[in-house]
Amino acid sequence: EAQVTQNPRYLITVTGKKLTVTCSQNMNHEYMSWYRQDPGLGLRQIYYSMNVEVTDKGDVPEGYKVSRKEKRNFPLILESPSPNQTSLYFCASRRYRGETQYFGPGTRLLVL
Amino acid sequence: RKEVEQDPGPFNVPEGATVAFNCTYSNSASQSFFWYRQDCRKEPKLLMSVYSSGNEDGRFTAQLNRASQYISLLIRDSKLSDSATYLCVVEFGNEKLTFGTGTRLTIIP
Repeated sequence: EAQVTQNPRYLITVTGKKLTVTCSQNMNHEYMSWYRQDPGLGLRQIYYSMNVEVTDKGDVPEGYKVSRKEKRNFPLILESPSPNQTSLYFCASRRYRGETQYFGPGTRLLVL
Repeated sequence: RKEVEQDPGPFNVPEGATVAFNCTYSNSASQSFFWYRQDCRKEPKLLMSVYSSGNEDGRFTAQLNRASQYISLLIRDSKLSDSATYLCVVEFGNEKLTFGTGTRLTIIP
């Protein structure tokens, strides 16, 4: 089954404790992205990647890091989480520019 | 001005009615347009792409007006299962996809 998976789905952590949210796709897609969704603000892009070892900042990259060492994986790293990073996070992938994106199921993060 | 703007609603519409949403975008160089549907904090899923000539998929019709920089979505004969948030998405030519904040639709029995 073609899909994007994220782990964990739910995470409660404390300020400053490094965490990683994994994202994996099995569709051999070139493009992958991370978004956060907050009430009233909609989905905002954090980082994106156009291929292995090629990443770039989206609209809200501060406080986040990403890496793309393999085509299928695109982890999101929060080196020192803060409460303002409490949000719903989605990973997405697509084959080409201009094509539809497929989203993972989301990760709900609460930073205390 | 926001890059992509939608009326947040909520739209409360009786079952069987026709409902239409508009979405305006600010960048005239925008290249690709989509409508996504999102149910109750689940992941967004593609409803339909929007083509310059307009396109239809069953009860759903999408239109693009480049001159006025807006896209629209029309839902005919609305069903209870159409209740969701509808997201307008615009691609500005690179990997940057910009999402509207969504329009919440509730179909009332």
